[in-house]
Amino acid sequence: SAVISQKPSRDICQRGTSLTIQCQVDSQVTMMFWYRQQPGQSLTLIATANQGSEATYESGFVIDKFPISRPNLTFSTLTVSNMSPEDSSIYLCSVEDPRRALEAFFGQGTRLTVV
Amino acid sequence: KQEVTQIPAALSVPEGENLVLNCSFTDSAIYNLQWFRQDPGKGLTSLLLIQSSQREQTSGRLNASLDKSSGRSTLYIAASQPGDSATYLCAVKASGSGSRLTFGEGTQLTVNP
Repeated sequence: SAVISQKPSRDICQRGTSLTIQCQVDSQVTMMFWYRQQPGQSLTLIATANQGSEATYESGFVIDKFPISRPNLTFSTLTVSNMSPEDSSIYLCSVEDPRRALEAFFGQGTRLTVV
Repeated sequence: KQEVTQIPAALSVPEGENLVLNCSFTDSAIYNLQWFRQDPGKGLTSLLLIQSSQREQTSGRLNASLDKSSGRSTLYIAASQPGDSATYLCAVKASGSGSRLTFGEGTQLTVNP
């Protein structure tokens, strides 16, 4: 199964600042997915990151707020920009393993608190 | 638009009980269905994946079933243990290349010693 390393695991940030979350996969994958999980809620897809092209954002999420990089087939970053307390959430990256019927695997998550 | 519902939202049982978690989805055109476990503040751990052509999957004390026509899946946990305490999430993947996962709200399970 795919192994995903995500960091940082948690952070406390001041409002108005930005945080970049990194996600490293142990195998090459076409797509990487970024999710947000607000307190007490389920996961919401932010965007899908393809190597060599612009990320595809879901309704309600914009590139200026959540810029994504995908420089190669094993790495991606998500930046949460100009943070406010409403951005306090767990952010997770995910990949699908084509060798296992597109089974989804997740990183350990980044627990972000904005004060 | 696919909607996924999980019942119950929370469940508390004594150790040793067998239990069933339920997941229902509105669009039967799915590629697969996956059950995850999430510990507080952590990422998701994949438990079982059922492809659309399959009826069930088993791993240890866990058994997941899928009835696509009725839009339902169940996760059966045998002989529950305190270490099973976590939130269990069901997610369905639509048919089609690059399609998204749609998650339910989860069932928060507490197994009491």
